[in-house]
Amino acid sequence: NAGVMQNPRHLVRRRGQEARLRCSPMKGHSHVYWYRQLPEEGLKFMVYLQKENIIDESGMPKERFSAEFPKEGPSILRIQQVVRGDSAAYFCASSLDSSYNSPLHFGNGTRLTVT
Amino acid sequence: DAKTTQPTSMDCAEGRAANLPCNHSTISGNEYVYWYRQIHSQGPQYIIHGLKNNETNEMASLIITEDRKSSTLILPHATLRDTAVYYCIVRDRTQGGSEKLVFGKGTKLTVNP
Repeated sequence: NAGVMQNPRHLVRRRGQEARLRCSPMKGHSHVYWYRQLPEEGLKFMVYLQKENIIDESGMPKERFSAEFPKEGPSILRIQQVVRGDSAAYFCASSLDSSYNSPLHFGNGTRLTVT
Repeated sequence: DAKTTQPTSMDCAEGRAANLPCNHSTISGNEYVYWYRQIHSQGPQYIIHGLKNNETNEMASLIITEDRKSSTLILPHATLRDTAVYYCIVRDRTQGGSEKLVFGKGTKLTVNP
């Protein structure tokens, strides 16, 4: 029973390039959350998606960041024109539904390094 | 902002029970208390959650006070591998029905040999 799968585990990009982070939720889960953890800091919520819909993007930076969760395939977090401050660990989580009683299960993250 | 208060750090001897407290005095009636932990730089690991009754699973027990204003996570026989940051979270419902988890700073638990 595979958990949440994130790839790549490590990603190195030069300033100005694009970064694409992928997240495959647990089987049967249709709710996906993205979080960011800057070095030596806590986890910050970025965006919550259901299939083909963005439900809450209150934590997403207004520029350069976007997320999608298409009907088929993984959820994608895209960062355009990366800057050094984007270097962080990006974690994806999934849940079965949106009820309070449905835990989020996290992947092991993608560590983005911008050089 | 996180709606919980936890001690910054705690120590526990290997083999003993680790009792991690959490205050959530503003919790509302339909909000669950969740516990996660993060070992080194891995993804957060779900431990347990509850509404008002005490809960137990293979990892831990969760004791919630009758007024629901505080709770305690109990690891019955701590091992060195339980060293981690433990997060107590009251699941937040904002406008629009986004049931996201808001992480605070957590408690850094160190299990000593």
